Amino acid sequence: EAGVTQFPSHSVIEKGQTVTLRCDPISGHDNLYWYRRVMGKEIKFLLHFVKESKQDESGMPNNRFLAERTGGTYSTLKVQPAELEDSGVYFCASSQVYRGHGYTFGSGTRLTVV
Amino acid sequence: GDSVTQMEGPVTLSEEAFLTINCTYTATGYPSLFWYVQYPGEGLQLLLKATKADDKGSNKGFEATYRKETTSFHLEKGSVQVSDSAVYFCALNNAGGTSYGKLTFGQGTILTVHP
Repeated sequence: EAGVTQFPSHSVIEKGQTVTLRCDPISGHDNLYWYRRVMGKEIKFLLHFVKESKQDESGMPNNRFLAERTGGTYSTLKVQPAELEDSGVYFCASSQVYRGHGYTFGSGTRLTVV
Repeated sequence: GDSVTQMEGPVTLSEEAFLTINCTYTATGYPSLFWYVQYPGEGLQLLLKATKADDKGSNKGFEATYRKETTSFHLEKGSVQVSDSAVYFCALNNAGGTSYGKLTFGQGTILTVHP
């Protein structure tokens, strides 16, 4: 079984530019989550999809972040325009069931905004 | 809201030393508790978990016991190896609320084991 795939693995962009991160979950996993770790701090929840619907987007920091999951398969997270404080590692995870059991995380995308 | 506090790192040990990484939590209801590990260049992996009070999670020589009375889930290993060098994250999922599987993480503890 293929794992959760994220790309790019690294991205360096200038402040004000746009970046799109992609996550391919494990096939058949309805639940898809985005998390972010900034500056060596705790990993913070961004949002949760169930299939193509946003179940919980309470962790999205502001309206410069837009997440989509068209067709309930892969997901994209767009940051537009990027700011310096957006730098960090963005993790995606997928699971078949609720309650945090059976999560599989991707390797993350390291975003650096300069 | 829910929160997780881990001991400050980094932690540096010699091979075969005893490891403890402290983790305490604040949560309503009856959370499930987890330890995740991130090895260099890899994604987060579930190391162990406990879903109710007094449960002990164990894997790869690591153990942690869910202590509701002290709201703690400390990670221990009797004899660490160089290959255990990684970042360790304590996390909880609160099934009692509307979190639907959302994990709340601690800040992570970097462990470095020297030969």
